[in-house]
Amino acid sequence: ETGVTQTPRHLVMGMTNKKSLKCEQHLGHNAMYWYKQSAKKPLELMFVYSLEERVENNSVPSRFSPECPNSSHLFLHLHTLQPEDSALYLCASSHGGGAGELFFGEGSRLTVL
Amino acid sequence: GIQVEQSPPDLILQEGANSTLRCNFSDSVNNLQWFHQNPWGQLINLFYIPSGTKQNGRLSATTVATERYSLLYISSSQTTDSGVYFCAVVSGGGADGLTFGKGTHLIIQP
Repeated sequence: ETGVTQTPRHLVMGMTNKKSLKCEQHLGHNAMYWYKQSAKKPLELMFVYSLEERVENNSVPSRFSPECPNSSHLFLHLHTLQPEDSALYLCASSHGGGAGELFFGEGSRLTVL
Repeated sequence: GIQVEQSPPDLILQEGANSTLRCNFSDSVNNLQWFHQNPWGQLINLFYIPSGTKQNGRLSATTVATERYSLLYISSSQTTDSGVYFCAVVSGGGADGLTFGKGTHLIIQP
């Protein structure tokens, strides 16, 4: 098993669909993150969960809804997305919060039609 | 928030050449990482280096925290070194996520 796994790797959805991205970490970490990478833009931090509690939400639209049921799993629920939400979504985990080394999954590439 | 600037934005080299990538940051940091993003989008950890010097094979990195910069050295470049290199930092405590620079796009030609 790799350290951080994301599913699905590719997702195509219409603007009225509801879908979810899943992230699982096998590293025993206690913090998990969602990042968004759009074309020609730096990686943007979306959400941070530490000890299963959300500690940061960087003004992300409500059509993105995170869920962290335990320290090993993180979801990003998607609904009524816009074409500009098409991007690579990356999950990461760390131990001890931001000062600890972050490890990333392979990413989920989302296309919104 | 903290600002991260990487230079150069683009770099084209011949196989076998050496290169130096730079990362400047605007505040004190308690985490600095270098990543290589492969063509499929995955971020590969190169170094966790909030201060000091580390080496791993042909790659090495130095962070001078007091002067707020970090350098990534790649020696004897190979075509497989091509891709985007990111510097990312955390400033402050708590569960802050990494702030990324815009990256250096490196192309190694055979």
